[in-house]
Amino acid sequence: DAGVIQSPRHEVTEMGQEVTLRCKPISGHDYLFWYRQTMMRGLELLIYFNNNVPIDDSGMPEDRFSAKMPNASFSTLKIQPSEPRDSAVYFCASITGGLGYGYTFGSGTRLTVV
Amino acid sequence: ELKVEQNPLFLSMQEGKNYTIYCNYSTTSDRLYWYRQDPGKSLESLFVLLSNGAVKQEGRLMASLDTKARLSTLHITAAVHDLSATYFCAVTLYLTGTASKLTFGTGTRLQVTL
Repeated sequence: DAGVIQSPRHEVTEMGQEVTLRCKPISGHDYLFWYRQTMMRGLELLIYFNNNVPIDDSGMPEDRFSAKMPNASFSTLKIQPSEPRDSAVYFCASITGGLGYGYTFGSGTRLTVV
Repeated sequence: ELKVEQNPLFLSMQEGKNYTIYCNYSTTSDRLYWYRQDPGKSLESLFVLLSNGAVKQEGRLMASLDTKARLSTLHITAAVHDLSATYFCAVTLYLTGTASKLTFGTGTRLQVTL
């Protein structure tokens, strides 16, 4: 298996622009998580899905952030409009709930908003 | 709210020395994870500790879990430069057949010097 695949690896955008981050989980994994990593706040959960349904979005910073999972093999995290404080590394992770362990993280997307 | 604390935040140690990183968490959990992160890289799973008293070892690293004390330790034996990285512990609340979010500690940046 190719693991959790994220794209793009790096994104530089101007303030006010829309940004879309993408994630393909491991086939057969029924949970998908979006995390954000910054120096100030560490690793924090933004949202997670189970069987494509959002379960907990309490970590989504504000209405500018939205996430979707239209099918079991694809999820997006969108920021509109982007702001410099959104600059961070965004990780996607997946797991099989029945197993309960074995979270696998993607390579991350490094977002820079200028 | 589940809280996870690690100490120390930064550790500089000489090659050949031993040291321990501590991870305390605030609520009952019997699933604890240790991850390694190299600069600019993703999170690499090191250990999954699934029950009280669990001990796992891989090379110069050994992790243990005491669920009664809500404490996990990551012991480093005879450190080598290749172990330089940031180490995170993470805890999840698990119900049979489901998965939940990982809550991460602040991380311990380990620097092994010659």
